Amino acid sequence: GAGVSQSPRYKVAKRGQDVALRCDPISGHVSLFWYQQALGQGPEFLTYFQNEAQLDKSGLPSDRFFAERPEGSVSTLKIQRTQQEDSAVYLCASSLTGGVDTGELFFGEGSRLTVL
Amino acid sequence: AQSVTQPDIHITVSEGASLELRCNYSYGATPYLFWYVQSPGQGLQLLLKYFSGDTLVQGIKGFEAEFKRSQSSFNLRKPSVHWSDAAEYFCAVGPLETNAGKSTFGDGTTLTVKP
Repeated sequence: GAGVSQSPRYKVAKRGQDVALRCDPISGHVSLFWYQQALGQGPEFLTYFQNEAQLDKSGLPSDRFFAERPEGSVSTLKIQRTQQEDSAVYLCASSLTGGVDTGELFFGEGSRLTVL
Repeated sequence: AQSVTQPDIHITVSEGASLELRCNYSYGATPYLFWYVQSPGQGLQLLLKYFSGDTLVQGIKGFEAEFKRSQSSFNLRKPSVHWSDAAEYFCAVGPLETNAGKSTFGDGTTLTVKP
């Protein structure tokens, strides 16, 4: 596609519900990143994929967070048993290259999650 | 651990005036430095980046930034601000030796442009 596409753009969940956020990166991009952006703060790294391999998940805040990219393109970030502190904008970014110098990141518009 | 500080939460400038947004970083090795801009409801867009070479980096939309190792700073500048520059600006540092995309972001500076 022309850019990184994320869905849904807005999601309201009741505490305890499971949610799934989708990211469709730019076609052919090797690297894919998920970031969490709380209100009034900068994005914080969650996890990184190179093709289908999840090479770094050090930023995932708890075992309730799970990400996958099974075919090396579309990625899903799943949050189980949502808590109020999970309310944030979840940003997906992709990059053409992999490895150390991942090059320029192209960000999607984000999925805003509100947990009531 | 790496960190980024943007001391100014909010800056207001008049259209046509010059702009400087401050960024200080803490990082043990050679950093990979970025500036991003985020307009309301939009994703982050890369303005410019620095890895090595000339310490004055030119970016898109007339922005430039200067890397000063001695001050651990990477301030963003523009000589004449346009109303369309109103947005939130993020400075970020990436660990090139492991994964430059795994960046640490500052908390951002919101720019308001007065007519």
